[in-house]
Amino acid sequence: DAEITQSPRHKITETGRQVTLACHQTWNHNNMFWYRQDLGHGLRLIHYSYGVQDTNKGEVSDGYSVSRSNTEDLPLTLESAASSQTSVYFCASSGGVNTEAFFGQGTRLTVV
Amino acid sequence: AQSVTQLDSHVSVSEGTPVLLRCNYSSSYSPSLFWYVQHPNKGLQLLLKYTSAATLVKGINGFEAEFKKSETSFHLTKPSAHMSDAAEYFCVVRVTGGSYIPTFGRGTSLIVHP
Repeated sequence: DAEITQSPRHKITETGRQVTLACHQTWNHNNMFWYRQDLGHGLRLIHYSYGVQDTNKGEVSDGYSVSRSNTEDLPLTLESAASSQTSVYFCASSGGVNTEAFFGQGTRLTVV
Repeated sequence: AQSVTQLDSHVSVSEGTPVLLRCNYSSSYSPSLFWYVQHPNKGLQLLLKYTSAATLVKGINGFEAEFKKSETSFHLTKPSAHMSDAAEYFCVVRVTGGSYIPTFGRGTSLIVHP
């Protein structure tokens, strides 16, 4: 069965370190998204991609970057981790606009 | 641009009583609308979706939602709550002709009392 997986599931890192969260999907979807989930805010969009070599900023993109070198993967990099980036991160992929997005299980990141 | 407003941050019901979770959307284009559920420390699971077919949509676990264009609403209902329904619920909109980005409401926490 097709799926979307995130790794690691849990990560503790120190302030100032670079961190990369992996997202891999086998749906062959062109659209991929990264969100962060914080209490009281729901899910907020960090970055998204409509296909290989395409990346776009979301509403909370400062301090994050993504790259899309193939269809399956959209890694999220925190350039210099800050305590404000402690959160749960979800990756999602989708087909056309009338289709649902499929979500990974999330990565809980703690910056100390 | 599209947006979603979930009108209640928390809803508390007794087991066996009806559930109503309210969602209003704003969109310049024809929307596709979704409800997702998230149980504690879990990922997001699709409950149901509306994509311009029947306005009354049935989902999993006895949930359903009705698309009302005149009211720009997509409220989620269930006739009888079960303890296992306690979770966070998210209303999501995507728009045809728009950016295709799934836009989330802030979520409604459903509390079910025995």
